[in-house]
Amino acid sequence: DMKVTQMPRYLIKRMGENVLLECGQDMSHETMYWYRQDPGLGLQLIYISYDVDSNSEGDIPKGYRVSRKKREHFSLILDSAKTNQTSVYFCASSSRGEQYFGPGTRLTVL
Amino acid sequence: GDSVTQTEGLVTLTEGLPVMLNCTYQSTYSPFLFWYVQHLNEAPKLLLKSFTDNKRPEHQGFHATLHKSSSSFHLQKSSAQLSDSALYYCALTWASSGSWQLIFGSGTQLTVMP
Repeated sequence: DMKVTQMPRYLIKRMGENVLLECGQDMSHETMYWYRQDPGLGLQLIYISYDVDSNSEGDIPKGYRVSRKKREHFSLILDSAKTNQTSVYFCASSSRGEQYFGPGTRLTVL
Repeated sequence: GDSVTQTEGLVTLTEGLPVMLNCTYQSTYSPFLFWYVQHLNEAPKLLLKSFTDNKRPEHQGFHATLHKSSSSFHLQKSSAQLSDSALYYCALTWASSGSWQLIFGSGTQLTVMP
């Protein structure tokens, strides 16, 4: 069964703390994505990874960085989190353009 | 550049009435089109994808036809159900330089009332 996992599912951090969101997939997909989704808004693309150590900025990369050292894992890092980074974060992997989404991480920055 | 347009941000209708959510696109390539559905507090998941041979994809009563002449991929259902209330995204994807590119539309929130 094809699956994308995300950890943690819920996270509360204080402003200025570092945040690590993890994503895994078991489909050996080359391409993976990080999105954020705010209430009433659509999906906003943060970063794309085309394979190990091959990452590109999406539409809103500021304040975020990513790491992909293994094909099955893609991490999103917030160095010194800000309150406006409170959101739901979705990871996805892709095969021939078709996206498989993880369950999401709800991040609250106080 | 390439783009996807969903003109309706919000659609509200009564159970049993037909559904049509609009999606138009611009692309310099030969794209594939997708519809994703996202129920409240869930992740988006694939609902439909276009075929290359003009077949009409169908799933859960929804269907969509890719019309290249009008650059459209509207989502339709003959009779709305309460459980269809969700956020619907149209997405455009194409192959370029050995990788697949993808753009999501802004989404249409469908609310079905009893």
